[in-house]
Amino acid sequence: QKEVEQNSGPLSVPEGAIASLNCTYSDRGSQSFFWYRQYSGKSPELIMFIYSNGDKEDGRFTAQLNKASQYVSLLIRDSQPSDSATYLCAVHEGTTDSWGKLQFGAGTQVVVTP
Amino acid sequence: EPEVTQTPSHQVTQMGQEVILRCVPISNHLYFYWYRQILGQKVEFLVSFYNNEISEKSEIFDDQFSVERPDGSNFTLKIRSTKLEDSAMYFCASAGPGSNQPQHFGDGTRLSIL
Repeated sequence: QKEVEQNSGPLSVPEGAIASLNCTYSDRGSQSFFWYRQYSGKSPELIMFIYSNGDKEDGRFTAQLNKASQYVSLLIRDSQPSDSATYLCAVHEGTTDSWGKLQFGAGTQVVVTP
Repeated sequence: EPEVTQTPSHQVTQMGQEVILRCVPISNHLYFYWYRQILGQKVEFLVSFYNNEISEKSEIFDDQFSVERPDGSNFTLKIRSTKLEDSAMYFCASAGPGSNQPQHFGDGTRLSIL
């Protein structure tokens, strides 16, 4: 059973601080990794995606991937109250016969406190 | 920005009835998906669809479920003989063209089975 694991939280972060979220995955063949933000009762919203080892930055968000250790992380700099949400890690197997099925983690709830 | 649209936003149905959930994917996307999220649980993959046929389906996607792309824009999920445990948020997603592209989710349909 392929698994994607995240700490459920809540992760309490002071406004302006850095939020650090981690995700581990069990399928060593995974190729593509995605972070989605989900507000309560809403749909997942794509925040970042990363395919190669290392860091990828987009505005206040940085995704980090380490395939050897099978983890992917998300940093949120200068956290704002509007960042309060559940962050979902999703992993795509990337093989030709998988057609992009995403395996989701349970999500980490982030609460940014003013 | 193009988006995936889903209708209806909320569907209430008596147990045993059939429901059809509708989705309009982003226009140049080629890969289409259905996911569901039972309240408080992970987002779960149901089915992927490419080139007018099912590419992959999960164990959840049994004979009770079917998908169809009846025209060039719509993508539907039909659930026959609904059960109480089918109550969930159902998300449509689309991606592409090209493999490993990020999936963009619609706002979802909340399905309530009474």
